[in-house]
Amino acid sequence: EDQVTQSPEALRLQEGESSSLNCSYTVSGLRGLFWYRQDPGKGPEFLFTLYSAGEEKEKERLKATLTKKESFLHITAPKPEDSATYLCAVVSGLQGAQKLVFGQGTRLTINP
Amino acid sequence: EAQVTQNPRYLITVTGKKLTVTCSQNMNHEYMSWYRQDPGLGLRQIYYSMNVEVTDKGDVPEGYKVSRKEKRNFPLILESPSPNQTSLYFCASSLSTGLSYEQYFGPGTRLTVT
Repeated sequence: EDQVTQSPEALRLQEGESSSLNCSYTVSGLRGLFWYRQDPGKGPEFLFTLYSAGEEKEKERLKATLTKKESFLHITAPKPEDSATYLCAVVSGLQGAQKLVFGQGTRLTINP
Repeated sequence: EAQVTQNPRYLITVTGKKLTVTCSQNMNHEYMSWYRQDPGLGLRQIYYSMNVEVTDKGDVPEGYKVSRKEKRNFPLILESPSPNQTSLYFCASSLSTGLSYEQYFGPGTRLTVT
């Protein structure tokens, strides 16, 4: 069974204090790994897709990386508006099928 | 504006009273999916559809039905709701089942079954 585990569950940082969120996964045949941001009461907002080990993607203060067992979301010099829950998800399975499995998320709070 | 819409946004109902949550997307996306989100359990996939008349079960399909008669619409049907279906529901769509396309999520429907 595919599993995704995110750590930590919650993280509090001061504005400007860089850190990383972790997403560990166990899947049979990874086809892709997604990162989403979710604000309270809203739907998840897509951030990145990573396909293979060694791949990296960046967007503003966020950078996502992927290894064969885990992914990291690095946040550099965060601002209060980066406060949100960050979700990791994987897609695996046979060609033509798509089943998305999410981790439970990391709730990030950036204090001014 | 490209978007996924869900209705209603909030619903309180009683056990056993059939209900439908609608989902519509205006992006001509082939793939659509329903998720439920519960504290401590995260987002779990209920059903997904790769195109019109093509649907398949996700992780938690029991107690739910879906249909995909038109490309833009993917309603979620609860024939006989029970309190354990109280949850926050999200619909999502993407251009293709290929992984190069992001999934767009709707705003959510908060359902309470008493």
